[in-house]
Amino acid sequence: GQQVMQIPQYQHVQEGEDFTTYCNSSTTLSNIQWYKQRPGGHPVFLIQLVKSGEVKKQKRLTFQFGEAKKNSSLHITATQTTDVGTYFCAAYSGSARQLTFGSGTQLTVLP
Amino acid sequence: EAGVAQSPRYKIIEKRQSVAFWCNPISGHATLYWYQQILGQGPKLLIQFQNNGVVDDSQLPKDRFSAERLKGVDSTLKIQPAKLEDSAVYLCASSLFSGVNTGELFFGEGSRLTVL
Repeated sequence: GQQVMQIPQYQHVQEGEDFTTYCNSSTTLSNIQWYKQRPGGHPVFLIQLVKSGEVKKQKRLTFQFGEAKKNSSLHITATQTTDVGTYFCAAYSGSARQLTFGSGTQLTVLP
Repeated sequence: EAGVAQSPRYKIIEKRQSVAFWCNPISGHATLYWYQQILGQGPKLLIQFQNNGVVDDSQLPKDRFSAERLKGVDSTLKIQPAKLEDSAVYLCASSLFSGVNTGELFFGEGSRLTVL
């Protein structure tokens, strides 16, 4: 089945530093979604990217979809303690009927 | 707008016992999902319903897991008999649409199962 690889698994940053997580697939993706899960919480939708090369911004968060639609990234500028949590990408491939989640990147922000 | 409701929030059982989880999706959402999330991993889809029909249950261990969505609204997920490796959070989610144009999935708080 389709696999979505996400790196890094863990990231510790000082408050104010930047953070990036990457999501890669061996197959072309129809679209990609990003979710945030706070400790002890449930996944919350952040954004969906559909077009090749698409870039979307939400305040300090920048999301990119690769030109080949096989990879994506989430970049947070000047992290804050409120950014703590695990960030998941999730994707459909052209053939898969299910939304497959990556393994997530757990972000810790040190004050 | 009310979110996805799940119960119970926590359940502790011994192996070989049975357990059932309930989910009520957001009103009007045709698609309902059950995901299993083991600690430190991403959610893994167990079963997806479109109204009261099953769209995908390819990763559901059918020898012990069963799920139904009667009347196309709320749903129950049952495990019988439970194994130690079933310890996880069971997340229910719903969406307005299905397939590649699904858009946002709305998750419930989850039901945390511990099997001793």
